[in-house]
Amino acid sequence: DAGITQSPRHKVTETGTPVTLRCHQTENHRYMYWYRQDPGHGLRLIHYSYGVKDTDKGEVSDGYSVSRSKTEDFLLTLESATSSQTSVYFCAISAGRQNTGELFFGEGSRLTVL
Amino acid sequence: DQQVKQNSPSLSVQEGRISILNCDYTNSMFDYFLWYKKYPAEGPTFLISISSIKDKNEDGRFTVFLNKSAKHLSLHIVPSQPGDSAVYFCAASAVTSGSRLTFGEGTQLTVNP
Repeated sequence: DAGITQSPRHKVTETGTPVTLRCHQTENHRYMYWYRQDPGHGLRLIHYSYGVKDTDKGEVSDGYSVSRSKTEDFLLTLESATSSQTSVYFCAISAGRQNTGELFFGEGSRLTVL
Repeated sequence: DQQVKQNSPSLSVQEGRISILNCDYTNSMFDYFLWYKKYPAEGPTFLISISSIKDKNEDGRFTVFLNKSAKHLSLHIVPSQPGDSAVYFCAASAVTSGSRLTFGEGTQLTVNP
């Protein structure tokens, strides 16, 4: 257990509304990531953070923003949700050996945009 | 541009037999490869990994083989158990890209009793 908590675990919202997903970790890890999982695409990186206020884009960052004001919290925001953002979102931390990319994942947040 | 590909969406095997899951990659800069296992409604969990300087890594019933010249890796599970039924994701990372993971599409393994 890497001490990762995602909230909410399930959310249904309407197109055009803002949505924020929260990832909270208890072990002071520097690197945090947001992935989305979709059938036929596996897990795709949205954004990641390498420290407080230090974030960068992943491969599918359009329509998403992130913030990290504290080490323990990494927020993913959909400013105006679209149906294409219906997905399962996973937060992850890098807690394995250096330079291996080994990640520990949260349990996921299932988002449905109607 | 799918840099990591798992061409088999699903695999079904009998309990006690060998399960072989395959993964191909295109980026020659990848230097570390990992397999993750995912049960429904849970996050992926790390299973086994291999560095590009090796061609085999074994951990109990799980063995990962890496063929760098073919840019191919495989995960062998022997013997397969019903509890192994899950989605398996292959992933790769490169030190030059900050060790961020690139995942394949996943393979649903079903082990029948």
